[in-house]
Amino acid sequence: GNSVTQMEGPVTLSEEAFLTINCTYTATGYPSLFWYVQYPGEGLQLLLKATKADDKGSNKGFEATYRKETTSFHLEKGSVQVSDSAVYFCALSDQNSGYALNFGKGTSLLVTP
Amino acid sequence: GAVVSQHPSRVICKSGTSVKIECRSLDFQATTMFWYRQFPKQSLMLMATSNEGSKATYEQGVEKDKFLINHASLTLSTLTVTSAHPEDSSFYICSPRGSSYNEQFFGPGTRLTVL
Repeated sequence: GNSVTQMEGPVTLSEEAFLTINCTYTATGYPSLFWYVQYPGEGLQLLLKATKADDKGSNKGFEATYRKETTSFHLEKGSVQVSDSAVYFCALSDQNSGYALNFGKGTSLLVTP
Repeated sequence: GAVVSQHPSRVICKSGTSVKIECRSLDFQATTMFWYRQFPKQSLMLMATSNEGSKATYEQGVEKDKFLINHASLTLSTLTVTSAHPEDSSFYICSPRGSSYNEQFFGPGTRLTVL
């Protein structure tokens, strides 16, 4: 079956540091890949997505590239801000699952001034 | 994105009681509703999927008679936890999806604590 593995947190960074959150997946079909963000007290929000191999999703300075050869979808940002402090979830979905999302465990990010 | 509300945001109840959680898509027609559960420091786990006007499909290990899902309209779905027990304490999140593949949103979640 499908599964998502992402690096454990919490991750603590200073403002303007470089961020990488690793995510790998296993899937039987051809999934779409997502990163969701959950700010304190709020619901999950879609951060970015990629629907096929070699696609790059980007939003708000965050990027992730769909790497089929390494089954990875690592999240990166060149310079984090305090406002990026949140929990980040990697997820996948495909038609076989009725488009339900299969989530990783989430990675908590704390950015300090 | 679409506006999704859940009510209540937090509920504490005694063991044996039933709790109803409402999920509304305020500006969005949810042809499909996913219900997820999240235990502390764990991932969101899919509980069930429902299509408007149809019976819900439950994931393995989720008791359909315990977690009653109603999706009677395109803007409202409810999850009722019947005869709740402490092990049902969790964070419950609804996720409506429209007819377009790109449209899947999340409610803010409901924190259930069963004493």
